[in-house]
Amino acid sequence: AQSVTQPDIHITVSEGASLELRCNYSYGATPYLFWYVQSPGQGLQLLLKYFSGDTLVQGIKGFEAEFKRSQSSFNLRKPSVHWSDAAEYFCAVGTSGGSYIPTFGRGTSLIVHP
Amino acid sequence: KAGVTQTPRYLIKTRGQQVTLSCSPISGHRSVSWYQQTPGQGLQFLFEYFSETQRNKGNFPGRFSGRQFSNSRSEMNVSTLELGDSALYLCASSPGTSGGHHEQYFGPGTRLTVT
Repeated sequence: AQSVTQPDIHITVSEGASLELRCNYSYGATPYLFWYVQSPGQGLQLLLKYFSGDTLVQGIKGFEAEFKRSQSSFNLRKPSVHWSDAAEYFCAVGTSGGSYIPTFGRGTSLIVHP
Repeated sequence: KAGVTQTPRYLIKTRGQQVTLSCSPISGHRSVSWYQQTPGQGLQFLFEYFSETQRNKGNFPGRFSGRQFSNSRSEMNVSTLELGDSALYLCASSPGTSGGHHEQYFGPGTRLTVT
């Protein structure tokens, strides 16, 4: 079965600084990978996704993520963080067969200091 | 396209009661999944319905049940509520087929408080 690890429970950055949130997955074949963001009391919003092709994926709100097969990673990046980016971020992995339900990581809480 | 809608948004119930939550998926989506989110356990998968049939099920007791209607709208029911059922219940909509690549779109959730 597939699994997802987000090693950082909390990340604190200053507004304007760059951001990288880590995600490692475990799955034998090529996975489908997602990043979601959740603002307090809200549902999850899809930021970006990787299915195949170019390993650098662009998403909404200025986010990007890079799929690195050799490291089983799909880290989320943003060059300059805004205060409104403060939220919970979830990485998820889906598989090419069997269940169509993605597996979610535990999430990383992003705190942005002014 | 309209997004995923969930009703009600907030609910307060007493232990032992039952509750029904509703989810309307994105038009054309045939899969509806339900998740329970709590600070301690994170996001936990409850079950998924596709074309009115439960296709996947998480590891929750039988008190948690669901159904899906022919228009893809879904309801979940929790009977004999316990304090530990207090959570944000999220519904996610997806095309549900291989072409959809498991991409899920979430509703705003229903905040259930059990007292």
